[in-house]
Amino acid sequence: GAVVSQHPSWVICKSGTSVKIECRSLDFQATTMFWYRQFPKQSLMLMATSNEGSKATYEQGVEKDKFLINHASLTLSTLTVTSAHPEDSSFYICSATPIELAGYHEQYFGPGTRLTVT
Amino acid sequence: AQTVTQSQPEMSVQEAETVTLSCTYDTSENNYYLFWYKQPPSRQMILVIRQEAYKQQNATENRFSVNFQKAAKSFSLKISDSQLGDTAMYFCAFMATGANSKLTFGKGITLSVRP
Repeated sequence: GAVVSQHPSWVICKSGTSVKIECRSLDFQATTMFWYRQFPKQSLMLMATSNEGSKATYEQGVEKDKFLINHASLTLSTLTVTSAHPEDSSFYICSATPIELAGYHEQYFGPGTRLTVT
Repeated sequence: AQTVTQSQPEMSVQEAETVTLSCTYDTSENNYYLFWYKQPPSRQMILVIRQEAYKQQNATENRFSVNFQKAAKSFSLKISDSQLGDTAMYFCAFMATGANSKLTFGKGITLSVRP
């Protein structure tokens, strides 16, 4: 149980275009999902906390107009990278906490999405 | 703000041997959780072990155990009987309790298990 999927797993887009990444909790509901960014051989950096039905909370230094997050349901959050540039190329990972495990603060991670901007 | 420090960037261990990965953290919180996550070459994050700060007993999960020293703010991971499948990056992480909690990760350590 507690499976999180991401789609696509790898995407290549041209500079200036937008790309959407989906994060789904397959067998549980999550009021909160998290989006991370990871460069090669580096740690995960939290970008934003996504709450179902409300605006996302962005970490300091993350451009909210560039990284649009929508948490439309208890099983789906999306991250849209707008006007992508090569420096946005990275590995994007989402995570979610099952509602019934919220008190345990345990996050389940998706497999990640590799974004390459050419 | 919390910080998590993993000072060793890389370690290597012979198969079947024991290895300890170190982690220190800094916080003013009294109630929190500590985690070790594994990220193999597939890049899927996998929870290895978790520790609640209020518990004095060190957490264990099969071959994985921690040495939690709250006063010293130290949280090391011991892997016994190392296996080739343990080769991965390992991240130490901190999370305070309460609403709007979020994970703070260390820089990670690359562990290689030699056959």
